[in-house]
Amino acid sequence: DGGITQSPKYLFRKEGQNVTLSCEQNLNHDAMYWYRQDPGQGLRLIYYSQIVNDFQKGDIAEGYSVSREKKESFPLTVTSAQKNPTAFYLCASSVSGTESEKLFFGSGTQLSVL
Amino acid sequence: GQQLNQSPQSMFIQEGEDVSMNCTSSSIFNTWLWYKQDPGEGPVLLIALYKAGELTSNGRLTAQFGITRKDSFLNISASIPSDVGIYFCAGQLGSNYQLIWGAGTKLIIKP
Repeated sequence: DGGITQSPKYLFRKEGQNVTLSCEQNLNHDAMYWYRQDPGQGLRLIYYSQIVNDFQKGDIAEGYSVSREKKESFPLTVTSAQKNPTAFYLCASSVSGTESEKLFFGSGTQLSVL
Repeated sequence: GQQLNQSPQSMFIQEGEDVSMNCTSSSIFNTWLWYKQDPGEGPVLLIALYKAGELTSNGRLTAQFGITRKDSFLNISASIPSDVGIYFCAGQLGSNYQLIWGAGTKLIIKP
């Protein structure tokens, strides 16, 4: 079955530590996205990538980094520079161009600070 | 960045009741979308709207693209327990633009 897999489901970060969230898709989608979700707020875009080896900052990129070395994979690193990392992180993918608005989401990773 | 105003923030309803929610913006959008998020999961697309005035249904759900292109509405008829969750609206200015999201409407069904 095609879909998006995020791992782990729950992740704990110690102060000063970098952590990496995994996102893999087998939908053959060109575009991939990372969103942050805080309680009572809409989804905020962290980074997105429309093609392999290229990515752009979203609205809240500070303290985060990404790579897109393969079409299927778009890992997100939450660095120690992100002072308030506790949130639910969602990865999504879509086709490019027409119907790019139809996002397919993973099940999310809940990141908490120890 | 830009924001959509989504209301209400939450709704407590009885099973079988009809539900209405809406999204408004100061900007004109080419596309309006409605997604639903179950607890602990990612959102799933319910309905996409592409023309002003368009009315589209998906089972018991009906959504409308406002005439001014600055708003959209979602109605759920005869609610059932599995309708609980958070409903998000999202707007898109054009095909190469990123989505702009509302803060969500949390639907809770009273036992």
